Amino acid sequence: EVQLVESGGGLVQPGGSLRLSCSASGFNLSNYWLSWVRQAPGKGLQWVAKIKHDGNEKSYVDSAKGRFTISRDNAKNSLYLQMNSLRAEDTAVYFCARDPSDYVWYFDLWGRGTLVTVSS
Amino acid sequence: SHELTQPPSVSVSPGQTARITCSGDALPNQYACWYQQKPGQAPVLVIYKDSERPSGIPKRFSGSSSGTTVTLTISGVQAEDEADYYCQSADSSGPYVFGTGTKVTVL
Repeated sequence: EVQLVESGGGLVQPGGSLRLSCSASGFNLSNYWLSWVRQAPGKGLQWVAKIKHDGNEKSYVDSAKGRFTISRDNAKNSLYLQMNSLRAEDTAVYFCARDPSDYVWYFDLWGRGTLVTVSS
Repeated sequence: SHELTQPPSVSVSPGQTARITCSGDALPNQYACWYQQKPGQAPVLVIYKDSERPSGIPKRFSGSSSGTTVTLTISGVQAEDEADYYCQSADSSGPYVFGTGTKVTVL
């Protein structure tokens, strides 16, 4: 089955760190741009970061720059998000998603998400 | 980055047509897509490249584009179509931008 499965979420104190993982099955992750997208409780979707097929190009939403790092290991068919200096406003469900196109920019497959709660 | 604006809610009776608009200044130069999200679930792509429908998506879902507005149309709405819908666009140099979201209620 073609799917993405996130893990690594949980409760963390403000200022703390967390590393999210996204494991792909049923397809080769190396053929896709990948992103993390988050959704705060009761709110809309917000793109967080993206990474190119070979990992050599990355981009972040302004609020994540300098705090979050996106990476991938194509040999392990996995995507990661290292989150440091976490804030209450980072509380959200974090989804990983794949983009099948180099020029149209959309997500054709999403994971089910992992919840990150930043609270003391 | 640019913004995409959607109406907060749309209500429609079963069998009728629901139209959801998404407006943004960058849309004439970017493709848009649409996602359906039901409570507690991940978003599902229902339209991409303005009007293309992924395999497995019912034909009652269609998309169109005109200037700074893209529209998702659900023809013959069914109870199972009740969900939140988000538009999204992007270009190679910028972020993916999501619309503000529209809650579709089937009366």
